[in-house]
Amino acid sequence: QVQLVQSGAEVKKPGSSVKVSCRASGVTFSDFTIIWVRQAPGQGLDWMGGIIPIISAPFYAQRFQGRVTLTKDESTSTAYMEVNSLRSDDTATFYCAGVEGSGWSFLDYWGQGTLVTVSS
Amino acid sequence: DIVMTQSPDSLAVSLGERATINCKSSQTLLYTSSNKNYLAWYQQKPGQPPKLLISWASTRESGVPDRFSGSGSGTDFTLTISSLQAEDVAVYYCQQYYNTLSFGGGTKVEIK
Repeated sequence: QVQLVQSGAEVKKPGSSVKVSCRASGVTFSDFTIIWVRQAPGQGLDWMGGIIPIISAPFYAQRFQGRVTLTKDESTSTAYMEVNSLRSDDTATFYCAGVEGSGWSFLDYWGQGTLVTVSS
Repeated sequence: DIVMTQSPDSLAVSLGERATINCKSSQTLLYTSSNKNYLAWYQQKPGQPPKLLISWASTRESGVPDRFSGSGSGTDFTLTISSLQAEDVAVYYCQQYYNTLSFGGGTKVEIK
């Protein structure tokens, strides 16, 4: 049974950074595509980027390029999403999601979400 | 980038009645060599992550009630709930995976 478990909620000051983790189980992590999605309060789903095995390097949606860094640690089956220079409008729930195999696809599995609140 | 546009933003339907949600893409999602449309539908209830309902525009996921159906091809797609139940109150999103990923803006379904 595939499970994605994310790290807990965070409260951050403007200008700081946050790093959210997403640990996968029940899957061959090296063959698993991990996607990150942002959802601002009361808003829709916004694809941020992802790492697909066949490329093995992160790919970012244009609007998130530059302030977001996606990484993964295969030894612990964990993916990470870091946002720098946080602003109040970065307050959102961040989801990791994934699918077995390489390539952009529909998202079978989702983490529970991590709420990041940016406030002075 | 492929832009996904959903309509309406919200709709209120009586219990047992049909709900129809539309999704339009800025370019075709039909991959001609496979004859497959790279379009998925999700349901999201408050405080929960999205749940995959339909992939390839019309393939229902295991365990999804058959009152949910997807149709369409190319750039125009529809999610239909044939007989709305109370537990179907949620926000529904379409998503393309033809070229990277992008989501529609969502449609909120409520009970009239």
